[in-house]
Amino acid sequence: DADVTQTPRNRITKTGKRIMLECSQTKGHDRMYWYRQDPGLGLRLIYYSFDVKDINKGEISDGYSVSRQAQAKFSLSLESAIPNQTALYFCATSPGQGGPGANVLTFGAGSRLTVL
Amino acid sequence: GQSLEQPSEVTAVEGAIVQINCTYQTSGFYGLSWYQQHDGGAPTFLSYNALDGLEETGRFSSFLSRSDSYGYLLLQELQMKDSASYFCAVRDHPGGSYIPTFGRGTSLIVHP
Repeated sequence: DADVTQTPRNRITKTGKRIMLECSQTKGHDRMYWYRQDPGLGLRLIYYSFDVKDINKGEISDGYSVSRQAQAKFSLSLESAIPNQTALYFCATSPGQGGPGANVLTFGAGSRLTVL
Repeated sequence: GQSLEQPSEVTAVEGAIVQINCTYQTSGFYGLSWYQQHDGGAPTFLSYNALDGLEETGRFSSFLSRSDSYGYLLLQELQMKDSASYFCAVRDHPGGSYIPTFGRGTSLIVHP
């Protein structure tokens, strides 16, 4: 099984619908992130969380919300999806401060979302 | 503000050496990472440089010059499987806060 699992892998929805993308990890990492990828724009940070009680906005948080239900689970919600939220979404994890691989992100396989 | 610049596309032939450059302008700097992403796949970590100089890992090397706000990824003995996108990412928060900012990526095309 993958260390970082994202569901669903693909989703097509309509404008105005609520969508939730889920991420779970078995790496035991404290830190979790949601990135969005658009062609030619690289990876842009939506939200990140350093532990269960910590939620922080990233560069492009408008229109999104997150929930850190447990150390291993971090979900991303689009309350009312719009077409320009069509993108590939990645969840990532990293260890806490000072640990091995502290400066390494481990990514999930991605969730491709299409909003019609 | 923060900005990272890398070429959008680089082409090379199998067996050659290619260098992908990354220049950055950030309010703080604590390290430069490189990630590889094959088409439609997850980005995977390649290297991290916090100090000036060259770090070598097999066929891949990464270089950093903090005074020039510049780094590069060097790929030697190119193979077809190296065709992918390569992203540089800056760590611009101090202490334990690893919140990388990514560049737009360089598409490397390796020809036979």
